[in-house]
Amino acid sequence: DTGVSQDPRHKITKRGQNVTFRCDPISEHNRLYWYRQTLGQGPEFLTYFQNEAQLEKSRLLSDRFSAERPKGSFSTLEIQRTEQGDSAMYLCASSLRGLQETQYFGPGTRLLVL
Amino acid sequence: GENVEQHPSTLSVQEGDSAVIKCTYSDSASNYFPWYKQELGKGPQLIIDIRSNVGEKKDQRIAVTLNKTAKHFSLHITETQPEDSAVYFCAATLSGAGSYQLTFGKGTKLSVIP
Repeated sequence: DTGVSQDPRHKITKRGQNVTFRCDPISEHNRLYWYRQTLGQGPEFLTYFQNEAQLEKSRLLSDRFSAERPKGSFSTLEIQRTEQGDSAMYLCASSLRGLQETQYFGPGTRLLVL
Repeated sequence: GENVEQHPSTLSVQEGDSAVIKCTYSDSASNYFPWYKQELGKGPQLIIDIRSNVGEKKDQRIAVTLNKTAKHFSLHITETQPEDSAVYFCAATLSGAGSYQLTFGKGTKLSVIP
């Protein structure tokens, strides 16, 4: 399968701990996006990379959140000092720069903060 | 910023009937409107999309219509099948202008009754 992959699929942590999620985009896709989805809501945009450059960040991305895409391939999203309000599904998507710009989503990482 | 409203929030239809989901958007500059299907525990899957230079697009049992004047777009599913049961999200964005974040509606839970 050559779709977007995310790891881990599920994460349970205690409040105050740090967590890191990984996203592997579709091969050759140079754009990568992170979204957050809470129960009963649509995904909300967090941040976007073109190659290794982080070009846009939502105001939802507090200073406890940091994302990287060091070599323009996979990306990591780290949440420091987790809070119960961080419990959500974290979705990654990728697209290929061009006319289509279709975003393809991964299966997500479901985070539960106790 | 963009705001997308989606209706209805839940929809039940008999197998074989048609289903229609409607969305409105606020930013008249938005030019790309994808629809995603999300099954329980999975990431959103693109099912069809439309660009602002097109009024209608069809793919087998699925069609999308766009009314730019009214800032309104709709998803039509004909001959519904039980496997169509899922949550459907509409989204909007201004593609090609440096910002590629999708703004999603809150979703419609479609139940197809056999």
